[in-house]
Amino acid sequence: EPEVTQTPSHQVTQMGQEVILRCVPISNHLYFYWYRQILGQKVEFLVSFYNNEISEKSEIFDDQFSVERPDGSNFTLKIRSTKLEDSAMYFCATTGVSGNTIYFGEGSWLTVV
Amino acid sequence: GENVEQHPSTLSVQEGDSAVIKCTYSDSASNYFPWYKQELGKRPQLIIDIRSNVGEKKDQRIAVTLNKTAKHFSLHITETQPEDSAVYFCALNRRNAGKSTFGDGTTLTVKP
Repeated sequence: EPEVTQTPSHQVTQMGQEVILRCVPISNHLYFYWYRQILGQKVEFLVSFYNNEISEKSEIFDDQFSVERPDGSNFTLKIRSTKLEDSAMYFCATTGVSGNTIYFGEGSWLTVV
Repeated sequence: GENVEQHPSTLSVQEGDSAVIKCTYSDSASNYFPWYKQELGKRPQLIIDIRSNVGEKKDQRIAVTLNKTAKHFSLHITETQPEDSAVYFCALNRRNAGKSTFGDGTTLTVKP
């Protein structure tokens, strides 16, 4: 079964540093998402991306966050200046044109110290 | 808005018993209702989903029911096993929107 792949699986970073999380979507999927899950809490929507632009974003997705698909394969989430409260599991997800079924990657666990 | 409330937050059952988790929502434009199982440190795993034109769907020991009038949907697990122990999340999507809004989760413990 096709998979969404994410790197890194775990990253520890100093507060104030920039972080880039990478995702390789399923090849024929067109809709891409980033979700966040703080330890012990629910999964929260950050941003959706379609046709090389943001289609929707949540209140969490402030100016410190950005997404892009620079080379047509990787879909990246950048956090410009990390804060302690950015520590969470970040899931990339994709959907195909045929329906709403979300395919999640295995997640990138970000620890800000 | 797209809020979804999930109850209970924790549920403990004896092996072999049934477990029921319920979610309520307010946005009548919601039309897709998936349920996810998440084990510790892992990604959410889709276990069953239902669309708004269907009232019930079953897959072996798992079933989902949807009451669009009352705006609630429920997950039913029968003949529970210890390996069913996990956090379960309901979610919903609005019509023509790809993003999912998740409930707060239910920690299910199945005691052997």
